[in-house]
Amino acid sequence: GDSVTQKQGQVTLSEDDFLFINCTYSTTTYPTLFWYVQYPGQGPQLLLKVTTANNKGISRGFEATYDKGTTSFHLQKASVQESDSAVYFCALVDTNTDKVVFGTGTRLQVSP
Amino acid sequence: DMKVTQMPRYLIKRMGENVLLECGQDMSHETMYWYRQDPGLGLQLIYISYDVDSNSEGDIPKGYRVSRKKREHFSLILDSAKTNQTSVYFCASSLLRDKNTEVFFGKGTRLTVV
Repeated sequence: GDSVTQKQGQVTLSEDDFLFINCTYSTTTYPTLFWYVQYPGQGPQLLLKVTTANNKGISRGFEATYDKGTTSFHLQKASVQESDSAVYFCALVDTNTDKVVFGTGTRLQVSP
Repeated sequence: DMKVTQMPRYLIKRMGENVLLECGQDMSHETMYWYRQDPGLGLQLIYISYDVDSNSEGDIPKGYRVSRKKREHFSLILDSAKTNQTSVYFCASSLLRDKNTEVFFGKGTRLTVV
């Protein structure tokens, strides 16, 4: 089935650092790709989504680009803040099962 | 206001007791989910429901069952809870088979089985 892979379990940065969180996907089609963010004590919530039509998503200073060549959907932010500390999940909907497939998550810790 | 509501938020149960976790959504979404999340781990799908009385096992259904008698309400039941079912449980909902829309999550129920 379709899958997404996040290789980084944890990322530790200082405020104003550049953020890069890796995500690659494996699918037989080109589904919409999602990034979800989970703040402490809360459920995941949508951060941004990208279709092949728009190719790039931008939200709250975060951006991700749908790259068919490298089958990647990395999340970036130019300058992180302490309030960005959270767990980030990339995700897609499996075209065969209609189930949402989440990556294992990347915990971002930003120190002031 | 689009919302998924979970009750209770915190629960402590003794091993062997029955547990009922309740979830409601106000978006008329056909599809609803139950996930569990353990420390350091991602989201594991327990059950998915495509509509009333149309439920399907997820990746880790053993030890759990679900009930969906109304579209807006989805329950997770643990018959005779075990200590290894201590976890945070998330309910979620989405539009049926619309692969372009997001999944909405509740705030979670932290269950401790002692």
